[in-house]
Amino acid sequence: NAGVMQNPRHLVRRRGQEARLRCSPMKGHSHVYWYRQLPEEGLKFMVYLQKENIIDESGMPKERFSAEFPKEGPSILRIQQVVRGDSAAYFCASARQGAVDYEQYFGPGTRLTVT
Amino acid sequence: GQQVMQIPQYQHVQEGEDFTTYCNSSTTLSNIQWYKQRPGGHPVFLIQLVKSGEVKKQKRLTFQFGEAKKNSSLHITATQTTDVGTYFCAGRLGSGNTGKLIFGQGTTLQVKP
Repeated sequence: NAGVMQNPRHLVRRRGQEARLRCSPMKGHSHVYWYRQLPEEGLKFMVYLQKENIIDESGMPKERFSAEFPKEGPSILRIQQVVRGDSAAYFCASARQGAVDYEQYFGPGTRLTVT
Repeated sequence: GQQVMQIPQYQHVQEGEDFTTYCNSSTTLSNIQWYKQRPGGHPVFLIQLVKSGEVKKQKRLTFQFGEAKKNSSLHITATQTTDVGTYFCAGRLGSGNTGKLIFGQGTTLQVKP
C-alpha cells in the first residue's frame, strides 16, 4: 500500500513563473491537507480539500495560490507568479476521514526554490 | 488566532540523558498529535492524545495531555542518536473544526554520542 506521493520532490522556478505541486493521497483516503514549512519553522496549514470540494482554505494566501482535488487524479497546489518568499517545503497529508480522530499521513514534500 | 507554542526550540543532550519538549495552546484542544521529522524528511505521526490527563508510552517515549487539554509534553528517557530530529506537537480545535492541525514550532533534538 503506497503512502502519500508528492511530485516533483524538488522544483526550481524563476520569479514570475508558475509552480504546480501534485499530491496523490494514500489509497482509500479522500481528505487532503496542504501545509507549508519555511526553514527552521513548523508547518503552517494552508488548505483542506475533499474530492471536488474545498472545505477550509483559511490558511491560503488571498492571491496567487489555488488548490484543487478533482474527482480523478491528484490534488494540485498551484502558485502563480512565484516570488522568492514562496520558497519553502510544501507537504500534503491525507486522512481517511476529516473528523478529529483520524491521523494524517504526510507525503515526502516538494521543496520549491524560487530564484 | 489560535496558537500552539512549543519549547524549547533546540535541545542538545548527551546520549543517555533525558529530553522533554513542552507544548502549550492558547485554546482548549479536542486532541493533540505528536510528529517526528528527521532532517530533510517529512513529519511522521507518533501518537494522538484525546482524553484529559491522558498518558501514553511508546518504549522510551512518554506523552502527556494536560487536564485542561491546553498543554502536552513528550519525554524521552535515555536518548539515543536515533532520536535526533525535530519533534512537533499539533493540536486540533474543538467543535466545528475541519480537522486541520495547528503545529507548534517544533523542538530540534541533537544527541551527542
